Amino acid sequence: AQSVAQPEDQVNVAEGNPLTVKCTYSVSGNPYLFWYVQYPNRGLQFLLKYITGDNLVKGSYGFEAEFNKSQTSFHLKKPSALVSDSALYFCAVRPHTGGFKTIFGAGTRLFVKA
Amino acid sequence: SQTIHQWPATLVQPVGSPLSLECTVEGTSNPNLYWYRQAAGRGLQLLFYSVGIGQISSEVPQNLSASRPQDRQFILSSKKLLLSDSGFYLCAWSWQGNWYTIYFGEGSWLTVV
Repeated sequence: AQSVAQPEDQVNVAEGNPLTVKCTYSVSGNPYLFWYVQYPNRGLQFLLKYITGDNLVKGSYGFEAEFNKSQTSFHLKKPSALVSDSALYFCAVRPHTGGFKTIFGAGTRLFVKA
Repeated sequence: SQTIHQWPATLVQPVGSPLSLECTVEGTSNPNLYWYRQAAGRGLQLLFYSVGIGQISSEVPQNLSASRPQDRQFILSSKKLLLSDSGFYLCAWSWQGNWYTIYFGEGSWLTVV
């Protein structure tokens, strides 16, 4: 079955330190990969996507993600965390087959401490 | 640019009452439209999706229904709400021309009492 895993329910990091939020997937073929952020009581906001090409993708608010085909991973990163980055982050995968179904991970809560 | 509007933002409804949540998308044509529910501030559950007017696919059998009366309008309904229908409902859209990137509305908080 096709799936997306975000192995950490919560990530804690100090402000100014680098952050990584992990995502691995299990789908056939070469999927489209996405990251979203959700602030409390808000809808999900699109951060970045990988379609093809350079494995390092840059997105909004200084975030980037690295696609690793051999490890089927798409980890979200930021060189220097801000307290305002504290939010819920979702990884999502859209297989090239399977209709119109994008698969979302369960989410990882990021806490950035001042 | 494209925008998505979803309303109402919050509502409190008694058990057994009807429900109507509405969503419209502007700035695009023939989008794919979605209704998700998010429980306890975590995972997303896809409830319905639509690839065109009058075309609705249901992902989870439940007390809810969806309709798409116009190209950019998507409505989530219920004839009789249950307590278990409480949650955060998100409308979303995507488009083939943008690799099906999904864009979400601001959500609707439903509390059934």
